[in-house]
Amino acid sequence: RKEVEQDPGPFNVPEGATVAFNCTYSNSASQSFFWYRQDCRKEPKLLMSVYSSGNEDGRFTAQLNRASQYISLLIRDSKLSDSATYLCVVNMDNYGQNFVFGPGTRLSVLP
Amino acid sequence: NAGVTQTPKFRVLKTGQSMTLLCAQDMNHEYMYWYRQDPGMGLRLIHYSVGEGTTAKGEVPDGYNVSRLKKQNFLLGLESAAPSQTSVYFCATRGAGGSYEQYFGPGTRLTVT
Repeated sequence: RKEVEQDPGPFNVPEGATVAFNCTYSNSASQSFFWYRQDCRKEPKLLMSVYSSGNEDGRFTAQLNRASQYISLLIRDSKLSDSATYLCVVNMDNYGQNFVFGPGTRLSVLP
Repeated sequence: NAGVTQTPKFRVLKTGQSMTLLCAQDMNHEYMYWYRQDPGMGLRLIHYSVGEGTTAKGEVPDGYNVSRLKKQNFLLGLESAAPSQTSVYFCATRGAGGSYEQYFGPGTRLTVT
């Protein structure tokens, strides 16, 4: 089993739709989780950190389920500008040294 | 502030050639990382550094060496390039505080023929 797995995608959704991505991780001791956004041929940028039971930032909501070892990202009212690849990232060592990235899920928001 | 910069942006090497990728940061961050990104795969950690003068191996260190002689610079070396090292290389930094947010450079696209 890979350490971090994500929905394979791609997701093609119309503007205004709600879309959810899932991510599973293998190390039950992991404490820190993140969603990064990566535009085509660009560097990843932090979208949200996911701590304890999850958090919300505007149209974006991240949830953590420790028992099932998965993280989700919900995007409401999708915009064309949300089109990107979303990377799930898990800190495996809890010291901020070993970060494992999922392969990413690509989202295309269509007009 | 430039943030995190990488040089060069693009490079084509022949098998067996050597090169050094430079990552420079003006954020005064302690931690620096080198990742490679291949199609269909997540970013994979090559080497990292927790401070000036220190380095450690990541998930895929073979064929690479690194040095962190100055806090602001992290160098990634390929002594004898192989086609399997064709990839996009990203450098990242983060501060020593509680936030684990990483800041990435723009990447270096390397092709080994």
